[in-house]
Amino acid sequence: DAGVIQSPRHEVTEMGQEVTLRCKPISGHDYLFWYRQTMMRGLELLIYFNNNVPIDDSGMPEDRFSAKMPNASFSTLKIQPSEPRDSAVYFCASSFWAKKGHGMAGELFFGEGSRLTVL
Amino acid sequence: GENVEQHPSTLSVQEGDSAVIKCTYSDSASNYFPWYKQELGKRPQLIIDIRSNVGEKKDQRIAVTLNKTAKHFSLHITETQPEDSAVYFCAASEERALTFGSGTRLQVQP
Repeated sequence: DAGVIQSPRHEVTEMGQEVTLRCKPISGHDYLFWYRQTMMRGLELLIYFNNNVPIDDSGMPEDRFSAKMPNASFSTLKIQPSEPRDSAVYFCASSFWAKKGHGMAGELFFGEGSRLTVL
Repeated sequence: GENVEQHPSTLSVQEGDSAVIKCTYSDSASNYFPWYKQELGKRPQLIIDIRSNVGEKKDQRIAVTLNKTAKHFSLHITETQPEDSAVYFCAASEERALTFGSGTRLQVQP
């Protein structure tokens, strides 16, 4: 497997523009996560999905942020309108967790990240 | 929700010395504690993990210990090498989502 694939790798945009980040998880993984990394706040969980269903979006900072997972192999994170404080590296990650009772948790595999700069 | 505290934020050691990074967590229900290494400009990658039914785990030069009573866990790196220089993150989870510590920048001086 090619691993978690994210695009674009780098995005520079102007304040007010819409930004769409894309992610293809590892085939067979049933959990998908979006994290944001900044120097000040570290790695923050924004939202995660299980079997394409959003489970917890409490980390999404504002209504300007939205995420979708229309199928098992694709997810998007959208920011509209973007602001300079949204500048960060956005990581998508996926994992497979065995059912409860079977003991083993899944390793989180990260994509290479999308570095967003909002001017 | 879970809160993970990590110390120190920076650590400088001489090559060959040991390095220890410590984390505490708040949610007693957490049962999975991985450690990730992130090199400059790269993605975080898992280096070792431990589950709540185990007190210690070792993999070559790295080891992790867990004290569930005190709610803290530690990463130990022995015989450090320059290629160990990176940012290390601890994490904890009870459900499927990991909460990460703030990271420790480890610098191994040759």
